[in-house]
Amino acid sequence: GENVEQHPSTLSVQEGDSAVIKCTYSDSASNYFPWYKQELGKRPQLIIDIRSNVGEKKDQRIAVTLNKTAKHFSLHITETQPEDSAVYFCAARPYNFNKFYFGSGTKLNVKP
Amino acid sequence: DVKVTQSSRYLVKRTGEKVFLECVQDMDHENMFWYRQDPGLGLRLIYFSYDVKMKEKGDIPEGYSVSREKKERFSLILESASTNQTSMYLCASSLIGTGDNEQFFGPGTRLTVL
Repeated sequence: GENVEQHPSTLSVQEGDSAVIKCTYSDSASNYFPWYKQELGKRPQLIIDIRSNVGEKKDQRIAVTLNKTAKHFSLHITETQPEDSAVYFCAARPYNFNKFYFGSGTKLNVKP
Repeated sequence: DVKVTQSSRYLVKRTGEKVFLECVQDMDHENMFWYRQDPGLGLRLIYFSYDVKMKEKGDIPEGYSVSREKKERFSLILESASTNQTSMYLCASSLIGTGDNEQFFGPGTRLTVL
């Protein structure tokens, strides 16, 4: 089955700096890659996603890149703000499956 | 506009008790999921269901069972709770199919087994 690895497990940045979180996956049949943000005490919520036929997607300060050949995808947050502090999860979903495989999470701390 | 609800935010049970965790969604989603969230381990799938009365094992089904008698409701059952089942339990739902089907999560139930 699919295996998703996520790095780093914790990331601390200064407000205004950029943050990058990386994930790798094992199943070449995976074709959908969402990213979820979980603030302290709250439920995970989708912040951005990408399909395998696209190399990059942006939404304001957030972007996701996908390298199908190398089987890795990354979340990029620019101009970080304290409200970006949260746990971020990547996930992969193999084609024709309804299951998501989640990474282990990255705790991002943005210092004011 | 809360769409996925769970019966309890916090629950304390004793070893050996039978525990029921309930999840309800109002989005008419076919898929429903139960995850367990532990620090450093991310979200691990326990069971999921793609239709009423249908279920499939996830990655860590041992010690758990599920029930889906109605489309909107998915129950997680701990037949005999053990201390190693102390965790945060998250329910989620999504549309069926291979599209960009976002999973919507419930608020979670923090279960402590003493």
